[in-house]
Amino acid sequence: RKEVEQDPGPFNVPEGATVAFNCTYSNSASQSFFWYRQDCRKEPKLLMSVYSSGNEDGRFTAQLNRASQYISLLIRDSKLSDSATYLCVVGYSGGYQKVTFGTGTKLQVIP
Amino acid sequence: DTAVSQTPKYLVTQMGNDKSIKCEQNLGHDTMYWYKQDSKKFLKIMFSYNNKELIINETVPNRFSPKSPDKAHLNLHINSLELGDSAVYFCASSHTHPPDRSSYEQYFGPGTRLTVT
Repeated sequence: RKEVEQDPGPFNVPEGATVAFNCTYSNSASQSFFWYRQDCRKEPKLLMSVYSSGNEDGRFTAQLNRASQYISLLIRDSKLSDSATYLCVVGYSGGYQKVTFGTGTKLQVIP
Repeated sequence: DTAVSQTPKYLVTQMGNDKSIKCEQNLGHDTMYWYKQDSKKFLKIMFSYNNKELIINETVPNRFSPKSPDKAHLNLHINSLELGDSAVYFCASSHTHPPDRSSYEQYFGPGTRLTVT
């Protein structure tokens, strides 16, 4: 089983739609969780951290379910500019920091 | 005011050559990383340095040698380049003060697209 798994998509959604991505992780000792966004031929950029209580940033909501070992990202009112690949990232500290990136979920928002 | 910079942005070279990629960060971070993103877009960590000390060395061929002259710089030297080395190489940096979650937030450079012919 991969350390971090995501549905690669693509998710093709119309503008204004709500879309959700899930990500599962295998290491129950994982401590930190993030969503990054990567545009085509660009570097990954931090979108948001994911906290145990869940957190929201504008149209984006992230949630963590430790019991089932998954995190989710919800995007409301999708914009064309949301089209990108969304990377799930899980952090673990076993003497040193290590983060593992998922392979990403591709989102295409259609006019 | 670039946070993490890499040079060169593009690198085209022939098999068997030796090449270097440079990375610099001005964020005051003390940990730097090299990642490889292959054609399938999978981002895999190669190395991590904390205050010039190697702390992560994943299963990378020893043709790849990182060097950190100071905590703001992490260079990657590749010997005897092979076709399979073609990929985008990203440098990143972060703070390290566990258990503060922010220590895992990594900031990436723009990438170096390496093509080996």
